[in-house]
Amino acid sequence: DGGITQSPKYLFRKEGQNVTLSCEQNLNHDAMYWYRQDPGQGLRLIYYSQIVNDFQKGDIAEGYSVSREKKESFPLTVTSAQKNPTAFYLCASSIDPTGLLGNTIYFGEGSWLTVV
Amino acid sequence: KNEVEQSPQNLTAQEGEFITINCSYSVGISALHWLQQHPGGGIVSLFMLSSGKKKHGRLIATINIQEKHSSLHITASHPRDSAVYICAVSLIQGAQKLVFGQGTRLTINP
Repeated sequence: DGGITQSPKYLFRKEGQNVTLSCEQNLNHDAMYWYRQDPGQGLRLIYYSQIVNDFQKGDIAEGYSVSREKKESFPLTVTSAQKNPTAFYLCASSIDPTGLLGNTIYFGEGSWLTVV
Repeated sequence: KNEVEQSPQNLTAQEGEFITINCSYSVGISALHWLQQHPGGGIVSLFMLSSGKKKHGRLIATINIQEKHSSLHITASHPRDSAVYICAVSLIQGAQKLVFGQGTRLTINP
């Protein structure tokens, strides 16, 4: 079945370390997104990509980096520059990169990152 | 003020009750999404609306574009409906990004 796979589900990071969260989709979607969710807050956009080899900063991109070398993969690196990285991270994709068609968005199961 | 506001933030009801969750937005949109977040964190898209009403099983979603308001209804609620329900909008400008409400935590007691 088609879908989005995020890994790992749970990740612990020491302060000063970079960690990379994986996101893979087999839906043949052009657009992919990374969101961060904190308790009591709505999801906030970190980065998005509308096409391979291109990506744009979202609302809270500082301390994060991404790559889009393949259509199906959009990994997120949480760098040591991110001051408060403990959060729940969600990857998503949609078929229409412009969003003008109002396409359904598909989410992964999420990754819990804890800084220890 | 958030661009997308949901109410109530928390809702507890008994099995069988009719449930309504509301979403108001203050920006121009191309579509509105209702999402369900499981206790484990994964999110599923329930509906995408640009006008009118949609129904899927016991779930009904409506939108009033003039009033900038949408509702999600659950008929004959069941404990398995317990989840966080999230409203999100696709903006007319920058439509590739979604703006999310804070979510409504629904608990259905048997």
